[in-house]
Amino acid sequence: DIQMTQSPSSLSASVGDRVTVTCRASQGISNYLAWYQQKPGKVPKLLIYAASTLQSGVPSRFSGSGSGTDFTLTISSLQPEDVATYYCQKYNGAPYTFGQGTKLEIK
Amino acid sequence: QVQLVQSGAEVKKPGASVKVSCKASGFTLTDYYMHWVRQAPGQGLEWMGWINPNTGVTNYAQKFQGRVTMTRDTSIYTVYMELSSLGSDDTAVYYCAREKPGDGLGVWGQGTTVTVSS
Repeated sequence: DIQMTQSPSSLSASVGDRVTVTCRASQGISNYLAWYQQKPGKVPKLLIYAASTLQSGVPSRFSGSGSGTDFTLTISSLQPEDVATYYCQKYNGAPYTFGQGTKLEIK
Repeated sequence: QVQLVQSGAEVKKPGASVKVSCKASGFTLTDYYMHWVRQAPGQGLEWMGWINPNTGVTNYAQKFQGRVTMTRDTSIYTVYMELSSLGSDDTAVYYCAREKPGDGLGVWGQGTTVTVSS
């Protein structure tokens, strides 16, 4: 099975900072990669699909890039409401494996 | 509006089974794949499998093969996930989620807490 590895596992940044989270697949998955945001005690929310397509209603400060094995989620200007854990997920075929998550905090 | 409403919290003894339901509204259930994802306390998201409500075809994660069964009743717009031979490590929040093929899991249920305890 293809493994999904996120880095870092946790991250502390200041409001207004540019933040980048990386997700690496152990084999190529084309652009079948989604990013989710899960705030504490809440349901996961789809942010980005097809590696770079922003889900409707998601603020434009979020962006995604990559193809093949290496992907990034970028927040251009961190806001207090972005405190959450972020997960990547492959969906080019079963199993639809998630990364282990990146916990983002405000410094 | 588009939503998925799951059944309520469950407490089960080790060795028992649990069946969680997920009722769809605001969209045509048979147009989407329905996934189940779980999250143990303080842990990450774990994909369990999907069901195609149109055909009933399923695809389960290897870890749950033989222990999980996903079914649907399209007449009441509902999918189900049954997990058997429960152990304490099955204590988790279980989510159903809708996939538009190629677009990720865009709609999620509110989650169902399953607690396994003697």
